[in-house]
Amino acid sequence: ETGVTQTPRHLVMGMTNKKSLKCEQHLGHNAMYWYKQSAKKPLELMFVYNFKEQTENNSVPSRFSPECPNSSHLFLHLHTLQPEDSALYLCASSQDSDSGANVLTFGAGSRLTVL
Amino acid sequence: GQNIDQPTEMTATEGAIVQINCTYQTSGFNGLFWYQQHAGEAPTFLSYNVLDGLEEKGRFSSFLSRSKGYSYLLLKELQMKDSASYLCAVMDSNYQLIWGAGTKLIIKP
Repeated sequence: ETGVTQTPRHLVMGMTNKKSLKCEQHLGHNAMYWYKQSAKKPLELMFVYNFKEQTENNSVPSRFSPECPNSSHLFLHLHTLQPEDSALYLCASSQDSDSGANVLTFGAGSRLTVL
Repeated sequence: GQNIDQPTEMTATEGAIVQINCTYQTSGFNGLFWYQQHAGEAPTFLSYNVLDGLEEKGRFSSFLSRSKGYSYLLLKELQMKDSASYLCAVMDSNYQLIWGAGTKLIIKP
């Protein structure tokens, strides 16, 4: 496989469930990102990993927990979510996170619905 | 604060030309990006401008004026497959990407 792959594509969960989103990239990139995309709103950066080290955590609630075991894989662990967390969660990768022409390659996203 | 403005929605006719504007106010500037996102799909990179002027890439062109904090994406010879959302993003002085809310482009036959 090439590009950025996200699983699952769709997830419905209750407020007390625990689930995880998975992202995998086969591009040899060193930086990986989680974004939240809500309708008619700008993309919200959640977390950035550069060379497996977390470099950004944009005041994200602790009910979202990222994990980056290696430079090809990124997880987002979810627990006790709220209905307002329902959104499209996009994973992206790039060569590194600290350069000007930093082109992101995105996955197709995981559509999360919290009941 | 930092801000990116672009129209919420635009409609154009197949075969025509459309210009999608983006204005920005950011802390520093390290380049402006345009991405295309079809419904239910991943955003994909279209263009990157860091110097003033027009960059042409096939049917798509992107223009930047740093002094005016302004960019536009020009789409020529519109095709039905160009129906998508177009996202404008600016990289600030800390290499953070500031995103607009996107412009949904509807192409009519």
